[in-house]
Amino acid sequence: GAGVSQSPSNKVTEKGKDVELRCDPISGHTALYWYRQSLGQGLEFLIYFQGNSAPDKSGLPSDRFSAERTGGSVSTLTIQRTQQEDSAVYLCASSLLVGYEQYFGPGTRLTVT
Amino acid sequence: AQSVAQPEDQVNVAEGNPLTVKCTYSVSGNPYLFWYVQYPNRGLQFLLKYITGDNLVKGSYGFEAEFNKSQTSFHLKKPSALVSDSALYFCAVGNMRFGAGTRLTVKP
Repeated sequence: GAGVSQSPSNKVTEKGKDVELRCDPISGHTALYWYRQSLGQGLEFLIYFQGNSAPDKSGLPSDRFSAERTGGSVSTLTIQRTQQEDSAVYLCASSLLVGYEQYFGPGTRLTVT
Repeated sequence: AQSVAQPEDQVNVAEGNPLTVKCTYSVSGNPYLFWYVQYPNRGLQFLLKYITGDNLVKGSYGFEAEFNKSQTSFHLKKPSALVSDSALYFCAVGNMRFGAGTRLTVKP
C-alpha cells in the first residue's frame, strides 16, 4: 500500500515568511509524528498526535511552530516568521499506535534565505 | 525521562567482518527500543525492535540486536558486513527519542 507522503519535497522561503508542510500518513495509522533533521544530524522530536488525544507538543522549539491533524489523518506543520536556523529536513512518520514501529515519509527540505 | 545515546559518531569495518553499532538507554520501566537505518538519499527505514521476550532480536537485512538490561544497552550487530550496509543508523527509545546517529562505513 501507499507509504507516508510529504509535500512539498523542497521549499525555499525568505526569512520572515510563513510556511506550511503537509504530511499524509499511512491509512489506519493512529499515531503521527513530526521530526526535524539538520544536515547529517540526528532526529529532533517536534510533536506527535495519537488518535483524538491532545497532541504532545513538548518538542516544539518555539511558539512559531504549530501543527494540526485534521480528521485523524492529514497533518500540517506550520512555521511562522521563519528564521535561518529553521533550515532543515522536516520528517513525518506514522505508526499503527504509539510504541509501534514508525514509517517515515521522504521529508521536506526547508531552506530559509 | 527517556534518553538514548550512541557513543560512536562513526564506525568503520571491512566487508565480511562482523559489525557492532552501540546504543545505551535510560528509561524508567520497561523500554521499547528500536533501530532505524537511513541510506544515502533515502528515507528512514525500520530495522528491528525490542518490546519484550527474547533478548536477541532479529530484523531486516540480516541485522540483529541484543537487549541487555543490566548494562542498559541495545547494540546492533551483523555477523558479516556488506558494502551496501553503509548508512546512518539510529537507535530510539520509546519511539520518539532518537540517538544522534552512527555513520557506518563498510569498505571493500
